[in-house]
Amino acid sequence: SQTIHQWPATLVQPVGSPLSLECTVEGTSNPNLYWYRQAAGRGLQLLFYSVGIGQISSEVPQNLSASRPQDRQFILSSKKLLLSDSGFYLCACQGQSFYGYTFGSGTRLTVV
Amino acid sequence: SQKIEQNSEALNIQEGKTATLTCNYTNYSPAYLQWYRQDPGRGPVFLLLIRENEKEKRKERLKVTFDTTLKQSLFHITASQPADSATYLCALRISSGSARQLTFGSGTQLTVLP
Repeated sequence: SQTIHQWPATLVQPVGSPLSLECTVEGTSNPNLYWYRQAAGRGLQLLFYSVGIGQISSEVPQNLSASRPQDRQFILSSKKLLLSDSGFYLCACQGQSFYGYTFGSGTRLTVV
Repeated sequence: SQKIEQNSEALNIQEGKTATLTCNYTNYSPAYLQWYRQDPGRGPVFLLLIRENEKEKRKERLKVTFDTTLKQSLFHITASQPADSATYLCALRISSGSARQLTFGSGTQLTVLP
């Protein structure tokens, strides 16, 4: 079965600082990978998805970017964080034969 | 525009009763619908998938129905327990794109009272 490792669990960063969140996947190859953001009490907003190495699709224009340097590694980055970037960030994967998503444990980002 | 709505933000029920959560959607023709459970501070966990040609699916105390005419799914938890307290999210696969993207509702927070 698929497992996602996502870190760090919590992060407090000042406005204008860079960001790098990473997730890695085990138990499947060539997965579809996703980054979601969840505001408090809100649903999941899809930020980026990737169907393969180096292939990134952006759903929401913003100061975030994503990269997939390896098949099972997905990175969310920012050069300069904004206060509005605060939220709960979730990495998810979807294997080729299973339609459900497996989520990581999430990163709680607070920009101060 | 496409929209997914879950009937209420919060639902309180007594232990042992059946909890029924609603997911309505507009302007979609989803191939399938999924339900997830999310505990505070954690990522969602997949529970059930129901396809457009299926009316009902069961898993232990869980039952999901899918009415593509009404554009609605109902999620039932029978003999509810306090441990069932969580936020439940429905999700639809959008019709476009090759990545089988899911669009999620905002969730219903269920509290089962002892």
